[in-house]
Amino acid sequence: AQTVTQSQPEMSVQEAETVTLSCTYDTSESNYYLFWYKQPPSRQMILVIRQEAYKQQNATENRFSVNFQKAAKSFSLKISDSQLGDTAMYFCAFRRNYGGSQGNLIFGKGTKLSVKP
Amino acid sequence: DTAVSQTPKYLVTQMGNDKSIKCEQNLGHDTMYWYKQDSKKFLKIMFSYNNKELIINETVPNRFSPKSPDKAHLNLHINSLELGDSAVYFCASSPILAGGSYNEQFFGPGTRLTVL
Repeated sequence: AQTVTQSQPEMSVQEAETVTLSCTYDTSESNYYLFWYKQPPSRQMILVIRQEAYKQQNATENRFSVNFQKAAKSFSLKISDSQLGDTAMYFCAFRRNYGGSQGNLIFGKGTKLSVKP
Repeated sequence: DTAVSQTPKYLVTQMGNDKSIKCEQNLGHDTMYWYKQDSKKFLKIMFSYNNKELIINETVPNRFSPKSPDKAHLNLHINSLELGDSAVYFCASSPILAGGSYNEQFFGPGTRLTVL
């Protein structure tokens, strides 16, 4: 069974600084996706960034980037130039990528990020 | 235009009651899901439907029954509500890509269920 571990329950960062959220996962699959979702106080789940396991290049989306280490099964999220609106729960998630059944997401327990002015 | 919608957004009810949560997606996706987020914010899959067919049924009490009348709708009915059912329930949908692989999921706004 796949598991996703986020070892930092809470983190804080000063506005405009950089912060890195950690995520490790365990799987025997070779073909999968990894995601970071953001959940602000509004509780809406918002996709921040995704990484396909077969791609070696780390994904980036504006101020958000990942450090994907497939051999180490590590998938950290770096937020540059932190903004107050980045304050939220961040969830790391794993998803198998194959046809047929079970495309559901497996989530870590989340990291609560607070951006301070 | 709302992609994945859920009704109601808030639901407060007494123990023992039966209630339903509705979900609709207008994205043309083939697969829909129900997730439960507990009081510690942990998200876990409950059910998954693909083209109206149940494909995932995690260890969920049989008081929970999903129903998919068509590809765009996945409703969740809960019988004999218990205090422990209090949580936020999220509906999500995703397309099946060429070759049968999966990609991102789009989430509804969530329904906060409070059982008194």
